[in-house]
Amino acid sequence: EVQLVESGGGLVQPGGSLRLSCAGSGFSFSIYSMNWVRQAPGKGLEWLSYISRTSTSIYYAESVKGRFTISRDNAHNSLYLQMDGLRAEDTAMYYCARLGGAGDIDYWGQGTLVTVSS
Amino acid sequence: DIQMAQSPSSLSASVGDRVTITCRASQGIRNDLGWYQQKPGKAPKRLIYNASNLQGGVPSRFSGSGSGTEFTLTISSLQPEDFATYYCLHHNNYPYSFGQGTKLEI
Repeated sequence: EVQLVESGGGLVQPGGSLRLSCAGSGFSFSIYSMNWVRQAPGKGLEWLSYISRTSTSIYYAESVKGRFTISRDNAHNSLYLQMDGLRAEDTAMYYCARLGGAGDIDYWGQGTLVTVSS
Repeated sequence: DIQMAQSPSSLSASVGDRVTITCRASQGIRNDLGWYQQKPGKAPKRLIYNASNLQGGVPSRFSGSGSGTEFTLTISSLQPEDFATYYCLHHNNYPYSFGQGTKLEI
């Protein structure tokens, strides 16, 4: 069974940093591209970032470009999101998501909540 | 960047109704579109991929159609468990983008 488990969320002050992790299991993590998606409270889904299987291709949404960094460690079946310069508008549930063979997201984690507040 | 316009934003319906949700892309995206269902407090779940292919395990009352710029998700006969929020996602190129969502209410 495919499982994606996020961790690392919490309360952080504006301007602060946080590193999210996502542990994949039940599939060959190294052969799948991965994404991060977020959802602000009561709002819709926002795609944030993509990383290819070997980390050679990386993309970001404009809203986080220059502040967030996606990375992965295939040896440990893990995906990361380093978030710097956090703002109140970054408050959201952050989901780790696998890119399926069709090119869209086929599996999601349960999310980790990030709250940016003083 | 490609934008997705989803309508309606909310929809009231009854058990047994047939409902249709639409997503329009700001430019052609072939059939690079997925549909997702999200229930409160839960992660989204894929229903349809490549515009019209049913995800394994998803009831056949769900169907998708369209290509290019206009896409629809149809639920042929609403069941109580279908009341949720639905999103489309284009995956034609990066940045990906979601529609704004449709909240389906009783």
